[in-house]
Amino acid sequence: AQKITQTQPGMFVQEKEAVTLDCTYDTSDQSYGLFWYKQPSSGEMIFLIYQGSYDEQNATEGRYSLNFQKARKSANLVISASQLGDSAMYFCAMRESFQKLVFGTGTRLLVSP
Amino acid sequence: DAGITQSPRYKITETGRQVTLMCHQTWSHSYMFWYRQDLGHGLRLIYYSAAADITDKGEVPDGYVVSRSKTENFPLTLESATRSQTSVYFCASVSGFQETQYFGPGTRLLVL
Repeated sequence: AQKITQTQPGMFVQEKEAVTLDCTYDTSDQSYGLFWYKQPSSGEMIFLIYQGSYDEQNATEGRYSLNFQKARKSANLVISASQLGDSAMYFCAMRESFQKLVFGTGTRLLVSP
Repeated sequence: DAGITQSPRYKITETGRQVTLMCHQTWSHSYMFWYRQDLGHGLRLIYYSAAADITDKGEVPDGYVVSRSKTENFPLTLESATRSQTSVYFCASVSGFQETQYFGPGTRLLVL
């Protein structure tokens, strides 16, 4: 069965600094997708970035990039130049069959001024 | 408005009552999902649907029933609510041809 592990329950970063949120996954599938979602205190789930298992380049979306290391089965999210509005829960997820998502337990990021 | 909506946004009910959470999407996405979010567990899949009239169980289906008579609607029913079903419920959808799963705003359910 697919599994996502996020080992950092909480992370602190100062404004304008970069931060890496860790995500490792376990799957026997050759084709899979990895996602990061942000959940602010208001509760909604906001899609941030996607990486396909066959994508050779690391995905980037503005200040977000996904450091994809296939051999190590890791898909870490890097946020550059953190902003106060980045304070939120961040979830890593993997796509299974039938487009289902398996989520990690999340990392709470706090950005300080 | 286009998108995915859930109703109600907040619900308080009592143990043993039947509760139905509604989900509606305007994109005509094939796939729809129900997840629950609890502290320490992230989001867990309750049920999913690949198309109208096609549904299947996820990781935590016990105590829930779903139906999908129309592509755009995917209601979730708690047949006899229990306190352990107190949670935040998210509906989501994705086209079979897209990569991104979009989530509704969530329903906060409290079972007393």
